[in-house]
Amino acid sequence: SQTIHQWPATLVQPVGSPLSLECTVEGTSNPNLYWYRQAAGRGLQLLFYSVGIGQISSEVPQNLSASRPQDRQFILSSKKLLLSDSGFYLCAWSVLFRGDGYGYTFGSGTRLTVV
Amino acid sequence: RKEVEQDPGPFNVPEGATVAFNCTYSNSASQSFFWYRQDCRKEPKLLMSVYSSGNEDGRFTAQLNRASQYISLLIRDSKLSDSATYLCVVNMRGSARQLTFGSGTQLTVLP
Repeated sequence: SQTIHQWPATLVQPVGSPLSLECTVEGTSNPNLYWYRQAAGRGLQLLFYSVGIGQISSEVPQNLSASRPQDRQFILSSKKLLLSDSGFYLCAWSVLFRGDGYGYTFGSGTRLTVV
Repeated sequence: RKEVEQDPGPFNVPEGATVAFNCTYSNSASQSFFWYRQDCRKEPKLLMSVYSSGNEDGRFTAQLNRASQYISLLIRDSKLSDSATYLCVVNMRGSARQLTFGSGTQLTVLP
């Protein structure tokens, strides 16, 4: 079966510290992968997407970066966290739903609080 | 104008009520449409796809009006467990690159 794993579930980090969030998928090959952020009480904001190993597209300028070192691994990083980086980070992959078009399946998310 | 707009609510309804959510999208080339459900502090999960002919899944009915660029979700006989935020989601044909999410409509079903 196809599954997506994301960790850690929660994280509290001081301002200026580095960040590394990891996402892995199982049961598929060459998936399209995405990182989203959801600030408290807000909608989902696309941060990065990747269509293959080493291929990263950034949607918004920010303090974050992403990497895809392996086909089924997607990493979100920061060298120095800002208070504004706090939020709920979600990894997702594209799934073709019964030929109707691409929807997403999300990981369980990482709730990051920068203090 | 936002690409996908929803009434943020909150909608507070009694158990057993019928409630409807609306969503409009700006890109007429959009081809795939979905409703997602997001429980508090959880990831969004697919509730149902939305087809031009309308589709029903138990107590849930989704409608699409391409001419008006409008999507709706109707929930009948509301249950306490229906309390969540409902996200309207739009995708252009053949674009696996990304979906566009509405900011969500919050529903609370009261006992």
